[in-house]
Parts: sequence; structure tokens; C-alpha cells
Amino acid sequence: NAGVTQTPKFQVLKTGQSMTLQCAQDMNHNSMYWYRQDPGMGLRLIYYSASEGTTDKGEVPNGYNVSRLNKREFSLRLESAAPSQTSVYFCASKLTGQETQYFGPGTRLLVL
Amino acid sequence: QKEVEQNSGPLSVPEGAIASLNCTYSDRGSQSFFWYRQYSGKSPELIMSIYSNGDKEDGRFTAQLNKASQYVSLLIRDSQPSDSATYLCAVIRGSNYKLTFGKGTLLTVNP
Repeated sequence: NAGVTQTPKFQVLKTGQSMTLQCAQDMNHNSMYWYRQDPGMGLRLIYYSASEGTTDKGEVPNGYNVSRLNKREFSLRLESAAPSQTSVYFCASKLTGQETQYFGPGTRLLVL
Repeated sequence: QKEVEQNSGPLSVPEGAIASLNCTYSDRGSQSFFWYRQYSGKSPELIMSIYSNGDKEDGRFTAQLNKASQYVSLLIRDSQPSDSATYLCAVIRGSNYKLTFGKGTLLTVNP
């Protein structure tokens, strides 16, 4: 039982490049979330998926897209990376009816 | 006013002392409150949740909630160097289970 996994662990991009951050969970959770964490800003919600087939915007969705591929996987795509997207990205999941979110190890992204 | 506010610290306490971490929130409709611990370079992990006014104890940790004052706190008794981390306060408002986090308080426990 790996919990929530994220790939890659670390990535360097040039401005304008695109990439997809992958997240998977093996806990049979219904809801999945993408956050970014910046120094002095705390964790901010980018997008979430309450269940397979649904996605909704969070607090800071601009510049990102998401795909809930199936119940296990929730990916985050940067179509044209900008230096302002340099951050640590965390994926989280939870079971419907419970409020505890379980976080993945994070992806550190540097956009030059 | 920010939705969830925490003193960013750093808060420094000697080993064995009580560490007191505070959080205020702006939305009176908030119904669920959480404390996450995050070690440097690691992901947040849930350590306490509280839903009703009063105190909730779990080992060395006590969460306190006062909805009238819109205030939630975390007390860590007999602080250990291993408690040194950033503590994040988080709140759920409404039925969509979206967490809103504070910026976190950095706690350092000195041996």
C-alpha cells in the first residue's frame, strides 16, 4: 500500500515548456486534490476532483489544467510554464464522507 | 482579512516546555478544523482534528476550539526536538470539503 505517489520528484523547465505532473493513490479514495506551496504562502488549492469524472477549480487555477484519468489517477498539466509556477506541488486524496486528506511526497518544480 | 491566519513565527521553546500555536479564521460558517505538521522538505501530515467547542487531547497534543472567538489552538506538552516543524492550521467551510490553509508557524524546540 503505497498511499499517494507523485512523479516526478523534481523537474526543471524552461519558460514556455509544457509538462504533466502525475499523481496516483491506491487507497480507493474518491476525492483528489492538487495544491501548490510557496514560501510564506502556505498551501493553496489549484484544482480538485470530488469523484471520478468531475473536476473543479480551486483558489489558483490559472495556468493549469487537470485530468481525472480514473479513480486512481489525477494529473496536473502546465501548458506553457512560467517562472511564477516555480513551486512545490502536492497531490492529496481522501475518502468520501471523511475529512482527512492524505498527501503525496510532492514535486519540486523550477521554471527558468 | 485573510481566511485563516497564523503567527508565522518562528516560535522557539526549550525541550520539555509547552508550545502554544494559534490560529484564527474569518468565516463563521467554518465547521471543521485541522492541524497538520510538516517537516522541512516533507509533505503535511494530519496530527489533530476538532469539530466542536472545547478541548481535544491526543497524547502530548491538545487542540482547543472556540467558535465564538473564531480561534483554534494547538498545545504541545513536553516538547521534544522531534516536534520541530512547521504547523499548518486548516479549515473546512461548506460541504465541498475544500481545505483552506494558514501560512503555517515554524516551531523550533531547543535541546
